[in-house]
Amino acid sequence: QKEVEQNSGPLSVPEGAIASLNCTYSDRVSQSFFWYRQYSGKSPELIMSIYSNGDKEDGRFTAQLNKASQYVSLLIRDSQPSDSATYLCAVIASSGSARQLTFGSGTQLTVLP
Amino acid sequence: DAMVIQNPRYQVTQFGKPVTLSCSQTLNHNVMYWYQQKSSQAPKLLFHYYDKDFNNEADTPDNFQSRRPNTSFCFLDIRSPGLGDAAMYLCATSRDLAGPSNEQFFGPGTRLTVL
Repeated sequence: QKEVEQNSGPLSVPEGAIASLNCTYSDRVSQSFFWYRQYSGKSPELIMSIYSNGDKEDGRFTAQLNKASQYVSLLIRDSQPSDSATYLCAVIASSGSARQLTFGSGTQLTVLP
Repeated sequence: DAMVIQNPRYQVTQFGKPVTLSCSQTLNHNVMYWYQQKSSQAPKLLFHYYDKDFNNEADTPDNFQSRRPNTSFCFLDIRSPGLGDAAMYLCATSRDLAGPSNEQFFGPGTRLTVL
C-alpha cells in the first residue's frame, strides 16, 4: 500500500471553477501535511502547509485536513490557466528515523480558458 | 531575497565520470536535503543533513555521496554516474525537522544528463 495516494488525474476544470484535489495517507500518526505545485520542468513550490484538523485558507487556496479519515485536500477557487500544473501532496510521518517528506505521485491539473 | 540556489542548472556528464552538484542557501536553515526526481515521478529523498549530522536513506546507492562543509552549502557527488542516474536533482532546506518549522523549500534543481 502506497503511503501517500493521490488521484492521478489528469483533472480538467474550466477557468473560474473550483478545483478539488484529494490525498490520503496511511501513517495514522502523521503530523505535517503539505501541498506543492510543480510546473513542467521546474522544481516543487510550496503553496500550503497544514498541521491541525480543519481548514486553512491562503488567498484562493484552502487546505483541509481530517486526521481521523486520514485525508487532506486542496481547493483552488477561481481557477486560472496559470494554475495548470502538477500538484503534489506530501506528508511527514512522525515515525521513522528521518521524518522524511513522502510525496504522492501528483495530480495533473489543467485549467481550460 | 532569501533563497535556495543550485548550480549548475544543467549538467552533462559521461558514463562513469564523476560529477558534483552544488546547493547553497541564504535562509540559514538547519536542514538540507537532496532529492532525485525522474520524469513523471515524485521526488525521492536521497539523504539529508541536520546541521552537520548526515542521514542517508536506506535505499540510496553508495554511488551517491554528500558533503556539507558549512551551514550554507551542500554538495551532491555522484562517483560513477550511470544512465539510470539521469534525473532532476533537487536541493531543499527546512528550518527544522519538526513541525511547524519543517516546511521544505526547494531550489530550482539541476538537470543531469548522462551520455
